[in-house]
Parts: sequence; structure tokens; C-alpha cells
Amino acid sequence: SQQGEEDPQALSIQEGENATMNCSYKTSINNLQWYRQNSGRGLVHLILIRSNEREKHSGRLRVTLDTSKKSSSLLITASRAADTASYFCATDATGNQFYFGTGTSLTVIP
Amino acid sequence: DTGVSQNPRHKITKRGQNVTFRCDPISEHNRLYWYRQTLGQGPEFLTYFQNEAQLEKSRLLSDRFSAERPKGSFSTLEIQRTEQGDSAMYLCASSRMGGFTEAFFGQGTRLTVV
Repeated sequence: SQQGEEDPQALSIQEGENATMNCSYKTSINNLQWYRQNSGRGLVHLILIRSNEREKHSGRLRVTLDTSKKSSSLLITASRAADTASYFCATDATGNQFYFGTGTSLTVIP
Repeated sequence: DTGVSQNPRHKITKRGQNVTFRCDPISEHNRLYWYRQTLGQGPEFLTYFQNEAQLEKSRLLSDRFSAERPKGSFSTLEIQRTEQGDSAMYLCASSRMGGFTEAFFGQGTRLTVV
């Protein structure tokens, strides 16, 4: 079974705008990660946030984590056409393996 | 290239045939994971190894599936008597041990069962 659920399922924005996608999960976690996947390709790790962290930044990415609401958000600022991809959250509850959500498909229109 | 390597990239097979995929992880990574992904879905966990030991298997991994990591380096995933429902992308990932850290994924093997 999949732990996380991303919202929205699909998002279309103009280049330069910000994109926000959310992830909700069901059980307590050790950490949460965000990955990007271009069509038909493998996954690329974007950022990891630990359960005792509330916010993390990496370049144009900002991730927040609210463990009380069991949710996380990924913000991509100043989007580019190259950001077009599917984005997945992955939760680690046991320290052994991690579960992916269903993903948000982001389209950035040039 | 020092990333995770998967072979073959694509495999078309007839229903009932056996197939085997190979994954070469990043050399210093102790953990190796197999995931399956169907169109429009997120990756589903299948199994993972810590060194050569297979520590966890998903209920998705039926008796027709077997995975090995004989020397704690590369891994193979075999599917026996393939079914059309096995058609998917099979992803391999590796990570360091000692608390969960980021996992690096290969490009995947796309299996089509006809």
C-alpha cells in the first residue's frame, strides 16, 4: 500500500510562477523525501526533511513538514519549463524502506 | 558513471516466459531496493537488501518473483511465468546504511508482457 497522497494530481502553470504541491500521509514517520521523475525515466532525489524539522530549502525548492497534520508541501519558485515532471513524496516510517505517493504531474508552460 | 545502473532498459517477453533484470548499485551503498511502477502510479515497494541479506519483501512479491544479491553488490530480480499484469517499470535504488538517507534510483527496466 502507498503511504502518501499528493495533491493536486495535476498542475499546470506559466513559466516564472510558483508551484505548490502537497503530500499527506497516514502514520508517524522518520523522514519524508521528495523526488522528481521525468516521463519514462528514473527518480531523482530532491530533498529530505527529517521528522524533527519543519522547513528546509534547496535552491528554488522549499519543503515544509507538519507532523501534527501528517502533511508536507513542496514549493518550487520561479518555475522553468525544465521543471515539467512528476513529483512524488516518499515517507520512511520504519527506517527500512519508504513508500511513495501517487504523484503530482507538473506542467510548466513556456 | 557511478550511478545506479539497470539492465536491460527495455524487455518485451511473451506471457509465460521467465525474465531476469540486473541492478548495479552505487559501489559503497549497502542497501538496495526494488520497486515496481505502473503508468500513472507511484513506485510500489517490492523488496530490499542490506548487503546480501534480503530483509523485507512486500506482499506484492508473489512466489513467481525472486530477488538475489549474492555478494552484496549487484542484484537480480527474476519473474517466472510472466503474466500481462507484470508489465511495468521495475526500478532499483541504493542507499547508504545507518539510518535512512537519500536513495539513488536507476533508469529502470520497462517490461512489456505480450
